[in-house]
Amino acid sequence: GAVVSQHPSRVICKSGTSVKIECRSLDFQATTMFWYRQFPKQSLMLMATSNEGSKATYEQGVEKDKFLINHASLTLSTLTVTSAHPEDSSFYICSASGKWDTQYFGPGTRLTVL
Amino acid sequence: TQLLEQSPQFLSIQEGENLTVYCNSSSVFSSLQWYRQEPGEGPVLLVTVVTGGEVKKLKRLTFQFGDARKDSSLHITAAQTGDTGLYLCAGATGTASKLTFGTGTRLQVTL
Repeated sequence: GAVVSQHPSRVICKSGTSVKIECRSLDFQATTMFWYRQFPKQSLMLMATSNEGSKATYEQGVEKDKFLINHASLTLSTLTVTSAHPEDSSFYICSASGKWDTQYFGPGTRLTVL
Repeated sequence: TQLLEQSPQFLSIQEGENLTVYCNSSSVFSSLQWYRQEPGEGPVLLVTVVTGGEVKKLKRLTFQFGDARKDSSLHITAAQTGDTGLYLCAGATGTASKLTFGTGTRLQVTL
């Protein structure tokens, strides 16, 4: 099956700093990648759709200047949480789209902002 | 806004029992996926169903896509403790490959 990796798996940072999360599709090329946020015991909430070579499409209510997305190649998308605050603490998950719109998910990144 | 309602939200059963999880919507989907997620990890794909009325079997798991492609079910036979996790259905509409995720069903299987 398709493999998607995320790095780092866990990150703790101070309030006001920026954090970059990488998402890589390891064995296939992904024109489209997605970024989700998940709160404890809840389902996934789509934040944005990342398209290779173009600007990301953000969901309503997601601040594009706070959550910067870059999809520079067919195998790499990055999410940068800028000026992080404690309320940004969450589980961030990326996915890459394959056949039949099936999405293959990374293992997630636990962000804790102190 | 498209919604996918899953039921039940939470299910606690003993090993060996059978169970069914339902995923319902008023919207039509071009495909539907089922995922299982364990705490602290990303969702793992179980199956993708594409054709209305399609039935797929994966060992003790049976997935069905409704004839109208608006709903789906997951049936687990003789549940095992390893089946414990959060089960998520997700429907695709073919628009920018976005998925609409269900509300989730948390399954706990005990000895």
